[in-house]
Amino acid sequence: DTAVSQTPKYLVTQMGNDKSIKCEQNLGHDTMYWYKQDSKKFLKIMFSYNNKELIINETVPNRFSPKSPDKAHLNLHINSLELGDSAVYFCASRSKWDTQYFGPGTRLTVL
Amino acid sequence: SQKIEQNSEALNIQEGKTATLTCNYTNYSPAYLQWYRQDPGRGPVFLLLIRENEKEKRKERLKVTFDTTLKQSLFHITASQPADSATYLCALVKTSYDKVIFGPGTSLSVIP
Repeated sequence: DTAVSQTPKYLVTQMGNDKSIKCEQNLGHDTMYWYKQDSKKFLKIMFSYNNKELIINETVPNRFSPKSPDKAHLNLHINSLELGDSAVYFCASRSKWDTQYFGPGTRLTVL
Repeated sequence: SQKIEQNSEALNIQEGKTATLTCNYTNYSPAYLQWYRQDPGRGPVFLLLIRENEKEKRKERLKVTFDTTLKQSLFHITASQPADSATYLCALVKTSYDKVIFGPGTSLSVIP
């Protein structure tokens, strides 16, 4: 009965590859997010979707493309991976009371 | 530009004492402020939310204050326990559809 789930938990890949991270929430929330947490632990918002519609895009390189097939899913596809993309990526959903529920994170390592 | 600071990167405290964490912000007028806890290898977990018109919120051993004049929030954990050791993040939000801005976090260690 996991609230927000992400797959995979770990992702190790070579520079230049394309990879995807999947996120699903079973809380019935309308809004979902992708965050990036770098090695200094700073949590930065990347994208926000509300009812499958993109509402926040935070100056993220266009190699990153979010996709929301329905309001329970928000996937993140990354093209041409670079060393600087190595980080932990968190998916989150937001309740109507404005609290956020985070997934367990995906640790991406680009070699 | 908007800036959020949390009092220190790391805070060590003796078990049973009150831990006080600080969140200061500039160039921002949040509608509300949230505190989250993050354990190593896990996602942040919501703890408390306080709105701009509220001075104080409590939940069990946790207390949050919000001073919009000082642009500061204080987060207190009373009777601290080793299990309270974690990183605590403050987050600011302007409106429901606005982005959430997180502070850098304070790593709290409660020493038995």
